[in-house]
Amino acid sequence: GGIITQTPKFLIGQEGQKLTLKCQQNFNHDTMYWYRQDSGKGLRLIYYSITENDLQKGDLSEGYDASREKKSSFSLTVTSAQKNEMAVFLCASSRDWGSAETLYFGSGTRLTVL
Amino acid sequence: GQQVQQSPASLVLQEGENAELQCNFSTSLNSMQWFYQRPEGSLVSLFYNPSGTKQSGRLTSTTVIKERRSSLHISSSQITDSGTYLCAMDGPGANTGKLTFGHGTILRVHP
Repeated sequence: GGIITQTPKFLIGQEGQKLTLKCQQNFNHDTMYWYRQDSGKGLRLIYYSITENDLQKGDLSEGYDASREKKSSFSLTVTSAQKNEMAVFLCASSRDWGSAETLYFGSGTRLTVL
Repeated sequence: GQQVQQSPASLVLQEGENAELQCNFSTSLNSMQWFYQRPEGSLVSLFYNPSGTKQSGRLTSTTVIKERRSSLHISSSQITDSGTYLCAMDGPGANTGKLTFGHGTILRVHP
């Protein structure tokens, strides 16, 4: 078995602040993802990384940067937090790009911007 | 673009009742999955179900690809079934983790 660890669990920021969310997985999976979930809505893909040193934009990449530092970790940066923004950011990993059936999610980072 | 419609948006059951959750897709799809989101936020995959029927305990998923729909049946609901159920599609194209999600069905099971 394995686990995906997201830090921090709760993140409170100020408008305009640059904020970084971290994700670690010990599945030895190649592919990692960042999704955003707004209240009452489904998840939307922000960035994904097919393998180490790869970065791909998802449908919601504007306002975000990502970094795949090593195979086990994938970070997401909110470049300028928007006032009143509230969302949950979920990290996921899969064995490889063609194995959606092996998708696992972390518990999320809850962002509040004051 | 791709859209995933889930119904109902919310559902309240008495413990022991059955539930039927629906998912409809606006475009052709390669595969779909059902996820359960716990109240504290973590997601767990219930079924990866490209087509046909799959069962796991009290849960049954049926996907009809050519009709672009899938259903999740929960029998004899329990309080611990409470949470949000999300369906997601992949495709058309390769089987990837680049999923399009529905908005979810919020289930509350009362004693």
